[in-house]
Amino acid sequence: AQKVTQAQTEISVVEKEDVTLDCVYETRDTTYYLFWYKQPPSGELVFLIRRNSFDEQNEISGRYSWNFQKSTSSFNFTITASQVVDSAVYFCALSEGSSSNTGKLIFGQGTTLQVKP
Amino acid sequence: ETGVTQTPRHLVMGMTNKKSLKCEQHLGHNAMYWYKQSAKKPLELMFVYSLEERVENNSVPSRFSPECPNSSHLFLHLHTLQPEDSALYLCASSQGSRVNYGYTFGSGTRLTVV
Repeated sequence: AQKVTQAQTEISVVEKEDVTLDCVYETRDTTYYLFWYKQPPSGELVFLIRRNSFDEQNEISGRYSWNFQKSTSSFNFTITASQVVDSAVYFCALSEGSSSNTGKLIFGQGTTLQVKP
Repeated sequence: ETGVTQTPRHLVMGMTNKKSLKCEQHLGHNAMYWYKQSAKKPLELMFVYSLEERVENNSVPSRFSPECPNSSHLFLHLHTLQPEDSALYLCASSQGSRVNYGYTFGSGTRLTVV
């Protein structure tokens, strides 16, 4: 069965600190997709990144970076030099690419990040 | 604006009321979704529509009734709700029903049942 675990419920850092949000997933499929979304106080989920199971290259986008490790079933997200605007709830999600034709994202419980000035 | 618009943003309703949530997307997507986000719980998938046909219903109580009249619009009709139904209801859309394309979410409707 699919499952996504974000063990950190809340994280609080001071501005300019680096912070890593953990994500561990479970799936039996060999083809799957991993996502990170950000949910600011306004409510909408903002897409950050998508990774497929065959691409283990780490990715960097500005202050954001992602570390995908199939050996540990983890897809961690690091924010470098955090800013107050990074304060939000962050969700990791999984989709099994070879399953049904219907779209279905399984979300973790989310990590609330608070960045203090 | 994400391209997916949900109205109303906030809704307070009594347990005997009937109301509807509306979702509209102008992204040319052909799959739409309803998710429920309760406090301290993961997002729960409620319904999936692909090409205006309901393809998934995740054991949602019948007091929630979805409607997808065309690929740009999705409704969630509510009647005789319970206080535990209070939550943020999020609509999403995607290009193709395979979610590996990623979702675009609306800002949600914050529902309070009194």
